Amino acid sequence: TQLLEQSPQFLSIQEGENLTVYCNSSSVFSSLQWYRQEPGEGPVLLVTVVTGGEVKKLKRLTFQFGDARKDSSLHITAAQPGDTGLYLCAGANNYGQNFVFGPGTRLSVLP
Amino acid sequence: NAGVTQTPKFRILKIGQSMTLQCTQDMNHNYMYWYRQDPGMGLKLIYYSVGAGITDKGEVPNGYNVSRSTTEDFPLRLELAAPSQTSVYFCASSYPGGVQAVDELFFGSGTQLSVL
Repeated sequence: TQLLEQSPQFLSIQEGENLTVYCNSSSVFSSLQWYRQEPGEGPVLLVTVVTGGEVKKLKRLTFQFGDARKDSSLHITAAQPGDTGLYLCAGANNYGQNFVFGPGTRLSVLP
Repeated sequence: NAGVTQTPKFRILKIGQSMTLQCTQDMNHNYMYWYRQDPGMGLKLIYYSVGAGITDKGEVPNGYNVSRSTTEDFPLRLELAAPSQTSVYFCASSYPGGVQAVDELFFGSGTQLSVL
């Protein structure tokens, strides 16, 4: 069974600070996705990375896929209260429908 | 576009009762999924379907049943509810992008179920 671990489990920071959260596995994935989930809602896709070493930027968010495709990181620059939420990573194989989700990092950005 | 719609939003069941969680999508997606989310445990796949008339078990299917008679609807049935089924349930859908594409999951807003 493939497993994904995420760290830290909880993170509380002040507005304007930078942060990095991590997603790690002992297994190789063909692709990895990051979702953000707000209270009372379902997860929403932020990004998909498919190539080892790939870096994608989405405004203040920078996503990296590890060279060996076993890990990923999400870096947020100058965090804002609107970034508050649960960040989930999800790995997939065969570009298909069998996604494995990590337990998530719960981020709180205080004004 | 409504996307993925789940009903009900909240439900309390007594042990041994049964119920159906409804899920419908209006995006003409072939693939649909049911996940449960427990605190600190991430999302676990219960069942999925790659098209009308086709369903398959996920990681945690015991105690649940599904059917897929139409492209739009994918109800999840709980028979003989147990306290271990207390969770938040999410329905999702995706459109298969082909051999080299990675699907994006579109989620409903969830059903919070308590079994007492």
